[in-house]
Amino acid sequence: DTAVSQTPKYLVTQMGNDKSIKCEQNLGHDTMYWYKQDSKKFLKIMFSYNNKELIINETVPNRFSPKSPDKAHLNLHINSLELGDSAVYFCASSQDRGVSYEQYFGPGTRLTVT
Amino acid sequence: AQSVTQLGSHVSVSEGALVLLRCNYSSSVPPYLFWYVQYPNQGLQLLLKYTSAATLVKGINGFEAEFKKSETSFHLTKPSAHMSDAAEYFCAVSASSPKTSYDKVIFGPGTSLSVIP
Repeated sequence: DTAVSQTPKYLVTQMGNDKSIKCEQNLGHDTMYWYKQDSKKFLKIMFSYNNKELIINETVPNRFSPKSPDKAHLNLHINSLELGDSAVYFCASSQDRGVSYEQYFGPGTRLTVT
Repeated sequence: AQSVTQLGSHVSVSEGALVLLRCNYSSSVPPYLFWYVQYPNQGLQLLLKYTSAATLVKGINGFEAEFKKSETSFHLTKPSAHMSDAAEYFCAVSASSPKTSYDKVIFGPGTSLSVIP
């Protein structure tokens, strides 16, 4: 069974469109994350939820809106897509919000904005 | 605030040679340190983590890392490289801080490891 899954794996869309990426974890973890990985492989945290509560909200455009319907799911909605949004987006989860917990990553969603 | 540097964005080794990937961190409080590996077109997976129980940490696939507080380093090593080790490696640091309202993990910029047959 896949521990952290994301859909879709690839997303190609035009500027100005709105798109969503879905993430699910079956590990029973309390904390989930969204990361953006740019073309140079630099990994930047965007958001984190703990038991459906937003706990990390980094400086990202408000066109990005996360939603956690339950602690096993964390979705990312992006409005008015721009060329600079092209990247690989990773969902991750950890047992809890503490700093000692390792994170389990999904396979990533490669977003290409044309 | 915590930070991580990884010396060498790209490292090449011959198959069977020693692998050494460098990581230095900055933290005002005792840190937790991690090494993650990312194979092409995949997500990151944990190689090993340091939680102060022992300074020499053994991980998966024959990798290990040594925590050296005096040098603020957490270098990753493997005695003998295998072709399957070719991947991107990320060092990460996290630490609790009473000054922030939340804790987070800071990832280094990554080191791409190539293994030459």
